Amino acid sequence: DSGVTQTPKHLITATGQRVTLRCSPRSGDLSVYWYQQSLDQGLQFLIQYYNGEERAKGNILERFSAQQFPDLHSELNLSSLELGDSALYFCASSVRWTGSSGANVLTFGAGSRLTVL
Amino acid sequence: AQSVAQPEDQVNVAEGNPLTVKCTYSVSGNPYLFWYVQYPNRGLQFLLKYITGDNLVKGSYGFEAEFNKSQTSFHLKKPSALVSDSALYFCAVRDNDMRFGAGTRLTVKP
Repeated sequence: DSGVTQTPKHLITATGQRVTLRCSPRSGDLSVYWYQQSLDQGLQFLIQYYNGEERAKGNILERFSAQQFPDLHSELNLSSLELGDSALYFCASSVRWTGSSGANVLTFGAGSRLTVL
Repeated sequence: AQSVAQPEDQVNVAEGNPLTVKCTYSVSGNPYLFWYVQYPNRGLQFLLKYITGDNLVKGSYGFEAEFNKSQTSFHLKKPSALVSDSALYFCAVRDNDMRFGAGTRLTVKP
């Protein structure tokens, strides 16, 4: 157990629907990251938060949004789902955000597997 | 922007033989480089990192990586491979976010 908790582990839904993925970071970590892993595109960075504020944005679609709450857990909202959104969504956490000094080690959760039918 | 490249999609080695998983980087300034491993149905796990100092970095599970500035490489190595080392390996570089390579699937055959 890495200490990063992601729910749900598996999710099957239909095109056009909306889902919310949840992540609880490791105790003491202030930064949360979301990544999408699909077979053909590897590990794609979506977005990063530090202590509730957005710090970096990657290739996140406009249909996707995220936030980090005061208790530091984060949610990734995926709407108007398409078949191509089927993927593993990983959350990771670290003490600091990657733009700060030092070399942060990311701790990853086990992922949420989304299947869009 | 910083980036890493993993030129091999797949690496196959026999158990007991040395293994190398390649990574090259493109950064401005001093690089912060990482290796992570992903076992089936699991999240990525940190193996080792290079910040500064000794070019040979030792990490978890007997892995090490050699930083080579002239060749802009950060190859992952292990002197004697185990079947249990079979997994997906990712090289990464720190930018404003953490950028990962495409991954290399290592298969160790008995």
